[in-house]
Amino acid sequence: GESVGLHLPTLSVQEGDNSIINCAYSNSASDYFIWYKQESGKGPQFIIDIRSNMDKRQGQRVTVLLNKTVKHLSLQIAATQPGDSAVYFCAEGPTFFGNEKLTFGTGTRLTIIP
Amino acid sequence: EPEVTQTPSHQVTQMGQEVILRCVPISNHLYFYWYRQILGQKVEFLVSFYNNEISEKSEIFDDQFSVERPDGSNFTLKIRSTKLEDSAMYFCASSEQGWTITNEKLFFGSGTQLSVL
Repeated sequence: GESVGLHLPTLSVQEGDNSIINCAYSNSASDYFIWYKQESGKGPQFIIDIRSNMDKRQGQRVTVLLNKTVKHLSLQIAATQPGDSAVYFCAEGPTFFGNEKLTFGTGTRLTIIP
Repeated sequence: EPEVTQTPSHQVTQMGQEVILRCVPISNHLYFYWYRQILGQKVEFLVSFYNNEISEKSEIFDDQFSVERPDGSNFTLKIRSTKLEDSAMYFCASSEQGWTITNEKLFFGSGTQLSVL
């Protein structure tokens, strides 16, 4: 079946450096993607989203890149801070009208080294 | 900032027992969801709920599961006869307008950790 998956389960980055978290998806009909951050003991928290008619979207210190050709998206976090340590999930939004569910990837644990 | 509230934060139960997980969605939200996350695995969709009825459910959401909005503020997930494999973190989420109108952000609660012994 269709799936959303992540390349790496863990990532360690020196504080102040940039980090890149990758995600692959297999449903070519997917047109909406979201990145979530999950801190220990908390629920997923929205970070940034992107629609398939865009290649790039920027937020505050975060950038999401979408490559539809290879069905890959990435989350870039600039100037990482200790508070960025968390598990990051990519999720695929509903692909047809009336569908309500998000399909999450496995997650990447990002650790910021002081 | 408004938030989704879930109680209890931890629930331990014996196999075969009924459990009710409670959620208070954000007050002006109309769409409600339950997701679960088995330890070390993906967050999985269980059910969506709108206008006092289920709008979509996954294959996980079998006859042992039910949802209810008993009053104007609470949204509950009931598991009638728990199994060992029901042990997971259960997340409630809500959104103002739902996916089919706009790509609304989902706001997640902090979860209830259910342990079935």
